[in-house]
Amino acid sequence: KQEVTQIPAALSVPEGENLVLNCSFTDSAIYNLQWFRQDPGKGLTSLLLIQSSQREQTSGRLNASLDKSSGRSTLYIAASQPGDSATYLCAVPTGGGNKLTFGTGTQLKVEL
Amino acid sequence: DTAVSQTPKYLVTQMGNDKSIKCEQNLGHDTMYWYKQDSKKFLKIMFSYNNKELIINETVPNRFSPKSPDKAHLNLHINSLELGDSAVYFCASRQRQGSGPYEQYFGPGTRLTVT
Repeated sequence: KQEVTQIPAALSVPEGENLVLNCSFTDSAIYNLQWFRQDPGKGLTSLLLIQSSQREQTSGRLNASLDKSSGRSTLYIAASQPGDSATYLCAVPTGGGNKLTFGTGTQLKVEL
Repeated sequence: DTAVSQTPKYLVTQMGNDKSIKCEQNLGHDTMYWYKQDSKKFLKIMFSYNNKELIINETVPNRFSPKSPDKAHLNLHINSLELGDSAVYFCASRQRQGSGPYEQYFGPGTRLTVT
């Protein structure tokens, strides 16, 4: 059974800092890995999807890496801003790719 | 322009009532989902429909009955609501067939409170 964990559970950083969020999964046979952002009381916004054949995916200040063999993905946020404050979730397809199994989330706060 | 929409956004009701949540996607996707986010913010799959056919039912009580009248809609009906049903319910969709990239897109959520 696939299990997805994220560390840290919460993170508070000053504005401008570069930071790394971690996602670990127990079954390395994944099709892809998706990173989401969830603002308080809001839905999920897809940030990046990284295919199993890729090692990195970039969007603006965000860079996601994937190491299938070690069961890890990282989300790198450069030059963090207060607007980046949110909960970040990673998820992998399971059930033959028919559903997503989510990690436990990292709650990020970027302070002025 | 909304890709995945849900109604209502908030739903407050008493125990024992029956309620429905509606979901629509205008992305042309062939697969739709319902997820539940509990009080600890953990997201878990409930149902998945592909081309109006149920493909995943994740041991959800049969008080929950999804209905997909067409590929663009997936509604969730809940009978005899219980306190433990209080949560945020998210609808999502993706394109299952074809060349990918198979991203799932989520609706804004429906916050259900059972009193």
